[in-house]
Amino acid sequence: KQEVTQIPAALSVPEGENLVLNCSFTDSAIYNLQWFRQDPGKGLTSLLLIQSSQREQTSGRLNASLDKSSGRSTLYIAASQPGDSATYLCAVKELTGGGNKLTFGTGTQLKVEL
Amino acid sequence: DAMVIQNPRYQVTQFGKPVTLSCSQTLNHNVMYWYQQKSSQAPKLLFHYYDKDFNNEADTPDNFQSRRPNTSFCFLDIRSPGLGDAAMYLCATSSRGLSGRFNEQYFGPGTRLTVT
Repeated sequence: KQEVTQIPAALSVPEGENLVLNCSFTDSAIYNLQWFRQDPGKGLTSLLLIQSSQREQTSGRLNASLDKSSGRSTLYIAASQPGDSATYLCAVKELTGGGNKLTFGTGTQLKVEL
Repeated sequence: DAMVIQNPRYQVTQFGKPVTLSCSQTLNHNVMYWYQQKSSQAPKLLFHYYDKDFNNEADTPDNFQSRRPNTSFCFLDIRSPGLGDAAMYLCATSSRGLSGRFNEQYFGPGTRLTVT
């Protein structure tokens, strides 16, 4: 059974810092990995999707990497801003079961302080 | 803009009183999903529809049912809500290509359910 773990569970940084969020998964037979942002009481906003054949994806100040063999992904946020404060979730889409199921981690709650 | 809409955004129901949550989409996606997310936990897939084909997750309680009357709408019915069913319910959609590949999932804003 796939398990997704995110460390740390919570993180507080001053504005302007670069930071890294970590995601690990137990079964490397994945179709892709996706990073989401969730604001309090809100739904999920997709940030980046990395196919299993890719090593990284970039969007603005965000860069996500994937090392499938070791079961790890990182989300790098450059020059953090207070508006980046949210919970960040990673999810893997498994190859089994029709390649449809997303398994989520419990998220990293990020606070960027002025 | 094409989007996934959930109504209502906040729903309060009484213990044991049936409740229905609604999801609609303008993306014309053939797959629709329902997830349950309890406080500080990861979203958990309850079931999904591929067109009219219903796919239930093995550990989804019988108390949860779903209907998809057409491509655009999908409903989550909770027959007898318990206190433990209080959660955020997230609807998502995706397309599935001719190759059988499921594409990226797009999420709605969620409905927060409170059970009193």
